[in-house]
Amino acid sequence: DAKTTQPTSMDCAEGRAANLPCNHSTISGNEYVYWYRQIHSQGPQYIIHGLKNNETNEMASLIITEDRKSSTLILPHATLRDTAVYYCIVRVASSSNTGKLIFGQGTTLQVKP
Amino acid sequence: KAGVTQTPRYLIKTRGQQVTLSCSPISGHRSVSWYQQTPGQGLQFLFEYFSETQRNKGNFPGRFSGRQFSNSRSEMNVSTLELGDSALYLCASSLGTGFNQPQHFGDGTRLSIL
Repeated sequence: DAKTTQPTSMDCAEGRAANLPCNHSTISGNEYVYWYRQIHSQGPQYIIHGLKNNETNEMASLIITEDRKSSTLILPHATLRDTAVYYCIVRVASSSNTGKLIFGQGTTLQVKP
Repeated sequence: KAGVTQTPRYLIKTRGQQVTLSCSPISGHRSVSWYQQTPGQGLQFLFEYFSETQRNKGNFPGRFSGRQFSNSRSEMNVSTLELGDSALYLCASSLGTGFNQPQHFGDGTRLSIL
């Protein structure tokens, strides 16, 4: 299984961009990078996913390096409500992994006033 | 569009009992997956259902089971409850089983075993 490495914790000032890195050096060509976040006592919230190209939606941008070995999730203007644990997940495309997301420990992002 | 709904939100049981948790997926979603979250083990995959068939199963004992109905709603059952089964149980739904289709989670059922 492709594994991901994320920093344990990060701080960000309110109103500034939050850039969350993720390393996935063993990723294969057909495996997607997904980002979720989890605010205390809630279920994980889907943020964004991508394969090769950079992606943007109303919540965030996902930048994937050309060699696909790392990615960065960007929250353009962080607010206090963005304080959460952020999970970077590589979705392994095999028949034994249907419906399965493998969560690591994630990055705890603390947005400060 | 309504999100994934899980009932009940909180449940207290005693050792040896059994419990059934319910999950209603987002309208139109046909795949449902279940996860267990504990402070020690984090989020772990339990099983996935699609078209009323279990397609994948995680590394959990046979006391954990599930099913899916024709309307895509799903239930999971845990029999002979143990203290270690205390956890947040999360359900996630997606349109189908493709790896390009994101799963959307409910807020879970918090199960406490006394």
